[in-house]
Amino acid sequence: AQSVTQPDIHITVSEGASLELRCNYSYGATPYLFWYVQSPGQGLQLLLKYFSGDTLVQGIKGFEAEFKRSQSSFNLRKPSVHWSDAAEYFCAVGARFEDDMRFGAGTRLTVKP
Amino acid sequence: DTAVSQTPKYLVTQMGNDKSIKCEQNLGHDTMYWYKQDSKKFLKIMFSYNNKELIINETVPNRFSPKSPDKAHLNLHINSLELGDSAVYFCASSLWTDTNTEAFFGQGTRLTVV
Repeated sequence: AQSVTQPDIHITVSEGASLELRCNYSYGATPYLFWYVQSPGQGLQLLLKYFSGDTLVQGIKGFEAEFKRSQSSFNLRKPSVHWSDAAEYFCAVGARFEDDMRFGAGTRLTVKP
Repeated sequence: DTAVSQTPKYLVTQMGNDKSIKCEQNLGHDTMYWYKQDSKKFLKIMFSYNNKELIINETVPNRFSPKSPDKAHLNLHINSLELGDSAVYFCASSLWTDTNTEAFFGQGTRLTVV
């Protein structure tokens, strides 16, 4: 069965600094990979997704993620963080037809002024 | 315009009560889910329905019973509520195709059992 690991529970960065959130997955076939963001008291919003093709995926709000099959990773990046990016970020892996999405435990991002 | 809507948004109830959470999607999706998010923000799949049929039923107490009257609705009924059931419950839907799969989430229902 697939699984997702987000090694960092909490990350703090200064506004304007770059950001990288780590995600490692375990899956027997080509995974479908997602990053979701959850702002306080809100639902989940999709930032970006990878199915196939170009391994560098662009998402909303200036985020991007890179799929590295050799490392089983799908790390999320942003060159310059804004205070409004403070939220919980979830990596998820899914499969076609017969299975559901599995989420990581989440990484809480705090942005310092 | 709401894509996936859950009601109620907040639910406070006493132990032992029976309650339901409703979910509706207007996206034409054929698969719907219930997730539980605990106090540590960990999201765990509970149930998955495809075309009104149960396809995933994780290790969830049988006090939890999903009901899907049609493809657009997936309700969650909980019997004999316990303190440990307090969490945020998210409904989601998706359309499984050859080239695209993405789940859309509702805003969540915060259940507090007192």
